[in-house]
Amino acid sequence: DTGVSQDPRHKITKRGQNVTFRCDPISEHNRLYWYRQTLGQGPEFLTYFQNEAQLEKSRLLSDRFSAERPKGSFSTLEIQRTEQGDSAMYLCASSRVGYPSIRESNTGELFFGEGSRLTVL
Amino acid sequence: AQSVTQLGSHVSVSEGALVLLRCNYSSSVPPYLFWYVQYPNQGLQLLLKYTTGATLVKGINGFEAEFKKSETSFHLTKPSAHMSDAAEYFCAVSDLYAGGTSYGKLTFGQGTILTVHP
Repeated sequence: DTGVSQDPRHKITKRGQNVTFRCDPISEHNRLYWYRQTLGQGPEFLTYFQNEAQLEKSRLLSDRFSAERPKGSFSTLEIQRTEQGDSAMYLCASSRVGYPSIRESNTGELFFGEGSRLTVL
Repeated sequence: AQSVTQLGSHVSVSEGALVLLRCNYSSSVPPYLFWYVQYPNQGLQLLLKYTTGATLVKGINGFEAEFKKSETSFHLTKPSAHMSDAAEYFCAVSDLYAGGTSYGKLTFGQGTILTVHP
């Protein structure tokens, strides 16, 4: 049994470059969330998917950010024309709702990956 | 909209002492409440959660929290701190409650860094 995995764990890039992060959720989970965490702050919601549908996007998600979950399994988060203010930890989480589960019930518990740390120089 | 306030960005205790991390929330609907722990360069791990029923909930590693509706609080405690408890702790509230199923988006507090001294 594997948890949520994220790749890469660390990314250093120059301002103006594009970066892409990948998240593989727990296999039977139908919901996938992206959060951003900056130093000294709690995670901030960016967007979430139920299966392949993107159901909500935060105002934090500017036009330079795009997320996809094309087949309802893994997800990618792309940041175009990176800025220094984009430096943060990008966290992915997944959950399973709508079905009984031994591991978790429909109570909103999210399972987090270890995050992808982005540094924009 | 939900919000969470964690009182004290840093808490320092001696090993063996009581740990108390404070969390107050704001929610217009019955809340689902969570405490997560984050070790350096790692993701978040669930400590415990309150959904419905018993207001005192027990979690992993000897932690527990009590939901007090009248005080809109969900403080985290542990009777005796251990060096391995040193980490950052986040309180979170779930959004829109409907028929017992959370929509799943969590709003987090700003976190409390717990330091444990020998």
